[in-house]
Amino acid sequence: GAVVSQHPSWVICKSGTSVKIECRSLDFQATTMFWYRQFPKQSLMLMATSNEGSKATYEQGVEKDKFLINHASLTLSTLTVTSAHPEDSSFYICSAPGNLAGELFFGEGSRLTVL
Amino acid sequence: AQSVSQHNHHVILSEAASLELGCNYSYGGTVNLFWYVQYPGQHLQLLLKYFSGDPLVKGIKGFEAEFIKSKFSFNLRKPSVQWSDTAEYFCAVNVGEYGNKLVFGAGTILRVKS
Repeated sequence: GAVVSQHPSWVICKSGTSVKIECRSLDFQATTMFWYRQFPKQSLMLMATSNEGSKATYEQGVEKDKFLINHASLTLSTLTVTSAHPEDSSFYICSAPGNLAGELFFGEGSRLTVL
Repeated sequence: AQSVSQHNHHVILSEAASLELGCNYSYGGTVNLFWYVQYPGQHLQLLLKYFSGDPLVKGIKGFEAEFIKSKFSFNLRKPSVQWSDTAEYFCAVNVGEYGNKLVFGAGTILRVKS
């Protein structure tokens, strides 16, 4: 099946710094990618839809300036958490759609800890 | 807004026990339904899906799920679990007009004791 890879798998940073997480589709092209955030014992929350060649579409309540998304190519989307604060600590997961509606291929996730 | 409820966050079973994980969604229109699984240290992956037709769908590794429209439910079942089924299971709903967007439940962590 299709493979989606994220990097880094975990990162620790100081409050106020910015962190970039990469999401790559390894053996297929993805014009769209989805970024999710997961809090402990809670469901995956869709943050935004990344669109190759155009601006990302953010879900209600997600700060565009805090979570910068760039879809630079058909195989790479990046999420940058700017001026990170401890409340941004979370598990971030990206995914890319398959051929069937709603079928997604997920990355391994990136755990961010902001000190 | 659409929501998905999974009834149990943690389930512990012995090998060979039967499994049923509950999933209810709130949306009155046409939906596509999914169960995703995340084994320890691995990516989330698709376990099974329902788009239309026979409401009893079969997935990989002996899992099945039944769509009951009147109950807005899509429960996951397996007659006899194995230790290797230890994982976290997520129910998800895709509402047609939202393209590939999925709304996920909170997940159920299944631990199977050998």
